[in-house]
Amino acid sequence: QKEVEQNSGPLSVPEGAIASLNCTYSDRGSQSFFWYRQYSGKSPELIMSIYSNGDKEDGRFTAQLNKASQYVSLLIRDSQPSDSATYLCAVKKDSNYQLIWGAGTKLIIKP
Amino acid sequence: EPEVTQTPSHQVTQMGQEVILRCVPISNHLYFYWYRQILGQKVEFLVSFYNNEISEKSEIFDDQFSVERPDGSNFTLKIRSTKLEDSAMYFCASRPGTAYEQYFGPGTRLTVT
Repeated sequence: QKEVEQNSGPLSVPEGAIASLNCTYSDRGSQSFFWYRQYSGKSPELIMSIYSNGDKEDGRFTAQLNKASQYVSLLIRDSQPSDSATYLCAVKKDSNYQLIWGAGTKLIIKP
Repeated sequence: EPEVTQTPSHQVTQMGQEVILRCVPISNHLYFYWYRQILGQKVEFLVSFYNNEISEKSEIFDDQFSVERPDGSNFTLKIRSTKLEDSAMYFCASRPGTAYEQYFGPGTRLTVT
């Protein structure tokens, strides 16, 4: 079982709609969760972090965490073509310094 | 806004040569990281560095790799004898001591021929 799993996509969403990206993780000891956006040929860019169960909103982005189900998601409201990118889920175990990465979901926003 | 910088942006080297990749983390950050990403694959952790020593390393980070913070600003990754399979994007990241969010530099594309 992979430590952090994401659907590779591509996920195609019409402009203005809500994009929903999902991530599951295997280690129940994980405490910190991050969403990064990566444009092709560029470095990961931090979008949001979430540490507690529930929702966390920042502008058009909402991260959701459910530790019981070992599930974290990212919602993007009013999707724009500039949101087209690969979205990476990263998880930090409580005992480690490193981030464990999912393979990413490619999101395409259609004008 | 402060950012992580990396040089060079692209490095081409021959197999067996030594390369040094350079990073300048955000100035008040305390934890430093190197990651790599082979084309089309996921980001992989190499090493973390805190208080002038390695705090964690992955299986990828073997004896061919080393890291150093030679002064108060630079953080370097050295590959002693490059292999073809070392061709990848190498990202440096840093974070403050009080938060877990890591901020990435733009990366160095290493091409080993």
